[in-house]
Amino acid sequence: DIVMTQTPLSSPVTLGQPASISCRSSQSLVSSDGNTYLSWLHQRPGQPPRLLIYKVSNRFSGVPDRFSGSGAGTDFTLKISRVEAEDVGVYYCMQGTQFPWTFGQGTKVDIK
Amino acid sequence: QVHLVESGGGVVQPGGSLRLSCEASGFPFSSEVMHWVRQAPGKGLEWVARISHDAVYTQYADFAKGRLIISRDNSRTTVFLQMNSLRKEDTAIYYCVRDFGDSWSLDYWGQGILVTVSS
Repeated sequence: DIVMTQTPLSSPVTLGQPASISCRSSQSLVSSDGNTYLSWLHQRPGQPPRLLIYKVSNRFSGVPDRFSGSGAGTDFTLKISRVEAEDVGVYYCMQGTQFPWTFGQGTKVDIK
Repeated sequence: QVHLVESGGGVVQPGGSLRLSCEASGFPFSSEVMHWVRQAPGKGLEWVARISHDAVYTQYADFAKGRLIISRDNSRTTVFLQMNSLRKEDTAIYYCVRDFGDSWSLDYWGQGILVTVSS
């Protein structure tokens, strides 16, 4: 199975300041079709997760442009350009390149 | 809009069985791949199973193989998770999730249903 490792596991941030989360996979996420199936999801307390980013850098419908994804191969990053109060919660990376699909442990983002 | 509503959760003894249902609306259900993902209390997300739009193909996490069975009834726009030989470690919120097509991701999630395995 592909192991997804996120850092940091906790990230206190200041409103209006940037934040960044890293995700590393135990093997390349480049699929045989040439695509890289790495997604980012956000889960607010008491809510189901919601999709933010798919295929490394594509924002899902309705996701603010302060969220951006980047990376390649085994190393990926989610960036929030200016953190807002509604951005608190846990962020997960997920790979869909190989079954079983696997998630990172989650990174908890809260406000300082 | 896309709506996914899970039902069938509850408390079950170890070794028991439970069947979860997820009724979908707001999209062409019979054309879409569906998944189950679970989350143990206070823990992270864990992918459980996937079923193709026509139920021909299924994939499972290793812990699910032989005990959890995903199925669907397109006439009822419903996906199921039959859970057998349940263990305490199966205690979790189970989410019904729609596949995001060629992006090999998960776009719409239900609110989740709690399954508690306890004696």
